[in-house]
Amino acid sequence: EDQVTQSPEALRLQEGESSSLNCSYTVSGLRGLFWYRQDPGKGPEFLFTLYSAGEEKEKERLKATLTKKESFLHITAPKPEDSATYLCAVNYGQNFVFGPGTRLSVLP
Amino acid sequence: GAGVSQSPRYKVAKRGQDVALRCDPISGHVSLFWYQQALGQGPEFLTYFQNEAQLDKSGLPSDRFFAERPEGSVSTLKIQRTQQEDSAVYLCASSPLHPVEPQHFGDGTRLSIL
Repeated sequence: EDQVTQSPEALRLQEGESSSLNCSYTVSGLRGLFWYRQDPGKGPEFLFTLYSAGEEKEKERLKATLTKKESFLHITAPKPEDSATYLCAVNYGQNFVFGPGTRLSVLP
Repeated sequence: GAGVSQSPRYKVAKRGQDVALRCDPISGHVSLFWYQQALGQGPEFLTYFQNEAQLDKSGLPSDRFFAERPEGSVSTLKIQRTQQEDSAVYLCASSPLHPVEPQHFGDGTRLSIL
């Protein structure tokens, strides 16, 4: 069964404590993997697209990587304003499927 | 506006009523998507338009759900004879071209069925 999972479900970090979020997928014919950030009461905000294994993208304290079966979102020295839910989504064929998200809390 | 706009932001309806949710995509975006998001979950795909053509409606949960985009711009999601399980946030997204370009989301309509 094609699916997208994310771990952990929730993560609490102290400010400055680096960590990684995982997105695992079991789909055939991946065309792209997307990371989004979602704040409460808001729609998802686009962060990155990764198209092929080995690809990496960076933006400020965030770095996304992709392998054949999973993607990681690395957060370096996070700040409280990085607190949000991080969603990954995969596009395969005409399908666009989201994972359940990781709720990140960064404590000052 | 520069982004995807959805209205209303909040909608409360009694069970059995019909509701209509509106989405104004980013100007010039060919593709438009509707998603349903339950509390604490990721968005779930409902339907997809390319211009005015509805190319995929496989995610619509029942025949009470209907979406249209008659002129290839504004879209409306209609839910007939609402049920309590329809309570969720309904998100609209648009992209220049599907499928490999990122989608840009509105802030959603929070629908509560009493």
